[in-house]
Amino acid sequence: QKEVEQDPGPLSVPEGAIVSLNCTYSNSAFQYFMWYRQYSRKGPELLMYTYSSGNKEDGRFTAQVDKSSKYISLFIRDSQPSDSATYLCAMYHGANNLFFGTGTRLTVIP
Amino acid sequence: GAVVSQHPSWVICKSGTSVKIECRSLDFQATTMFWYRQFPKQSLMLMATSNEGSKATYEQGVEKDKFLINHASLTLSTLTVTSAHPEDSSFYICSARRGTGNEQFFGPGTRLTVL
Repeated sequence: QKEVEQDPGPLSVPEGAIVSLNCTYSNSAFQYFMWYRQYSRKGPELLMYTYSSGNKEDGRFTAQVDKSSKYISLFIRDSQPSDSATYLCAMYHGANNLFFGTGTRLTVIP
Repeated sequence: GAVVSQHPSWVICKSGTSVKIECRSLDFQATTMFWYRQFPKQSLMLMATSNEGSKATYEQGVEKDKFLINHASLTLSTLTVTSAHPEDSSFYICSARRGTGNEQFFGPGTRLTVL
């Protein structure tokens, strides 16, 4: 079993839709959770960073962490074509290494 | 703040040659830098963790004599792919951790093509 599972998609939505991206994980020691956005042929860009359970909102983006279910989500409201990218979840527990999901490829259709 | 650069952004080389990729933290000191590789439509795979002034820690299956990592200063780490072969063609991405913080900030990546 992989440490982090993420549906690779692809996911296509119309402009303005609410997007829900999810990851599950197996290691209950994970405490730090991140979402990265990666455009084609570019490095990942940190979008959201949360510690432990709860919600965090930043503009159109909301990150949720449910440690009891080992489940994290990223919601994008009023999605825009510029949101088209691959979204990677990542997490770790204080050691050096980040554990990444495989990434979900999102396309927002104008 | 927290900008990481990589150079070159792309490189094409002949089989058997060595290629050096630089990773710099431009506006912060990075005590720890990480090197990843990413194949098309796949996620990032950690190759090694590099701490300033000490030897890099390589992930299982990564040949340390083939992928030489040097972290000579708090703002610069280099990855040298020695005797490159076509199967080494990939997207190499570095990241840097700022101080004792937990976030990793990624560089824009270097696309290596070995002919």
